[in-house]
Amino acid sequence: AQTVTQSQPEMSVQEAETVTLSCTYDTSENNYYLFWYKQPPSRQMILVIRQEAYKQQNATENRFSVNFQKAAKSFSLKISDSQLGDTAMYFCAFKANAGGTSYGKLTFGQGTILTVHP
Amino acid sequence: ETGVTQSPTHLIKTRGQQVTLRCSSQSGHNTVSWYQQALGQGPQFIFQYYREEENGRGNFPPRFSGLQFPNYSSELNVNALELDDSALYLCASSLGGGNQPQHFGDGTRLSIL
Repeated sequence: AQTVTQSQPEMSVQEAETVTLSCTYDTSENNYYLFWYKQPPSRQMILVIRQEAYKQQNATENRFSVNFQKAAKSFSLKISDSQLGDTAMYFCAFKANAGGTSYGKLTFGQGTILTVHP
Repeated sequence: ETGVTQSPTHLIKTRGQQVTLRCSSQSGHNTVSWYQQALGQGPQFIFQYYREEENGRGNFPPRFSGLQFPNYSSELNVNALELDDSALYLCASSLGGGNQPQHFGDGTRLSIL
């Protein structure tokens, strides 16, 4: 079974500053995907960024980038030039690229509440 | 392009009752997954449907069941409701179940009294 751990329940950052959210995971799979989702108070889960485990290059989407350390099973999210609209709960998630009864299953961490202050 | 839509937005039920939640997948998506998110927690995978068949299930009892229709919309049914079933229920759709990202709806907030 896979587990995803987010050790920071809450984080805060000033507008325009940079913040890093941590995530570690545990799996015996070798082929998998990692995601960061954002959930604002509106409740909708929005995909921020994703990483394929077989790719060594870290994914980047505009102000969002990841630091993927496969051997350490670490997958942190860096948000640059933070904006007020980035305030939300952020979830790290894992999906194995395998079949079986858990096919398609996203395993989520407990989440980190990020507050961006003006 | 129409996103994932869920209904109803909020629902209040009492213990022992049954409930049906509905989800319309994003246009072109043939796979639907359901998640339960308790307050302050991350979502937990309930099951996934692909082309009208369940092809993945999490650690939920049989009283949680589902359906997927030919138009790929889906229902989540929960029988014999318990207080612990109070949660936000999220539906996500994707094109296939592999590496395609899942797109989520706004969820249904279910409260059990």
